[in-house]
Amino acid sequence: LAKTTQPISMDSYEGQEVNITCSHNNIATNDYITWYQQFPSQGPRFIIQGYKTKVTNEVASLFIPADRKSSTLSLPRVSLSDTAVYYCLVDPDLGWMDSSYKLIFGSGTRLLVRP
Amino acid sequence: DAGVTQSPTHLIKTRGQQVTLRCSPKSGHDTVSWYQQALGQGPQFIFQYYEEEERQRGNFPDRFSGHQFPNYSSELNVNALLLGDSALYLCASSRSDREQYGYTFGSGTRLTVV
Repeated sequence: LAKTTQPISMDSYEGQEVNITCSHNNIATNDYITWYQQFPSQGPRFIIQGYKTKVTNEVASLFIPADRKSSTLSLPRVSLSDTAVYYCLVDPDLGWMDSSYKLIFGSGTRLLVRP
Repeated sequence: DAGVTQSPTHLIKTRGQQVTLRCSPKSGHDTVSWYQQALGQGPQFIFQYYEEEERQRGNFPDRFSGHQFPNYSSELNVNALLLGDSALYLCASSRSDREQYGYTFGSGTRLTVV
């Protein structure tokens, strides 16, 4: 599985847009990019997944350039409750095959949102 | 629709003891994976169960074992506990047919070994 690299920590203020970039230079053709959010003493929570270009949902946007060697998670107008650890993962889409895959987590990015 | 349920939420054990952690997957999910998360680190894959068999295993010693029951629930057993086994243990469930994306995690069991 591709290794991902992301900043260890980021600081922001309420109301600002936060962009967290992840690099995955060895991403494979059938890999998807997935972001999870984790609050203290809770399990990770799926935020967004994409393959290329741009994906948007009610929580975030994910930007993936054409070469797919990096991706950027964008959180619009963060609030204090967005303070969490954000993990970038690559996740092979096995499609019709059994999903005998495992998630490989790095250390994530600790986002601190200040008042 | 209940998500992933783990029990107990917290546990304190003495070095050398054995512990069993339990997980009930999300409704409709048939695959259960276990992760260990040490303080300040990302979750590390322990093993995955599907059709009551261990399908994949991470880099964990044989002291870590598991089981999956016909109702898809699962147990994680750790023997001969070490101080270094203190961590948050996370259970994640998923559907084998991938019709619906990916993993749903429980809130974990916080294990402290003293």
